[in-house]
Amino acid sequence: QVTLRESGPALVKPTQTLTLTCTFSRFSLSTSGMCVSWIRQPPGKALEWLALIDWDDDKYYSTSLKTRLTISKDTSKNQVVLTMTNMDPVDTATYYCARGLRVTMVQGITRRVHRYMDVWGKGTTVTVSS
Amino acid sequence: SYELTQPPSVSVSPGQTASITCSGDKLGDKYACWYQQKPGQSPVLVIYQDTKRPSGIPERFSGSSSGNTATLTISGTQAMDEADYYCQAWDSSIVVFGGGTKLTVL
Repeated sequence: QVTLRESGPALVKPTQTLTLTCTFSRFSLSTSGMCVSWIRQPPGKALEWLALIDWDDDKYYSTSLKTRLTISKDTSKNQVVLTMTNMDPVDTATYYCARGLRVTMVQGITRRVHRYMDVWGKGTTVTVSS
Repeated sequence: SYELTQPPSVSVSPGQTASITCSGDKLGDKYACWYQQKPGQSPVLVIYQDTKRPSGIPERFSGSSSGNTATLTISGTQAMDEADYYCQAWDSSIVVFGGGTKLTVL
């Protein structure tokens, strides 16, 4: 079955750059419609989407965090990497990667795009503290 | 920026029907999906493209969407359905999550 696994440091210091790797199996990120997203969840709080990379290397970022985020992929290694600069204690959270699918439905002149995440990794907890 | 609004909490008795709403401007013109998250676990997709159920998700989970509101309905709610539920949509090249609803099965 499709699996994703997040890896990276459990502890980073304020102002440091966080690098997280998502290693996945049983699907290819070169398949049309596939993508991988990063999502985080601070303790006791809601899910927050961070970034997404498409099969064709299109990249999308959270509006509020885009100046700090970079997402990239290595299709040959089945990996997606997220870097987040200038880490702060408020960035303490569980970070998830998830496989995403893009669906486009055309009805007459109306075009609707849907993106959803059908398989999630177990998450990795990152604490930002000096 | 686009926002999705969910009630913070919903309570339901076992065997009854639970409805969780998700509101956003012209949400019915987009597609919504829903995730279930139990404590200490990763989210699980339970509804996508407004009404579709992934394989392995019980038939008691259903979705609908119209106007500004998408709704997740759980028929014959079971104790195991107690969890946080998040709606999600795609708008202006951004993934948007709702704030989550804690479903309590009393």
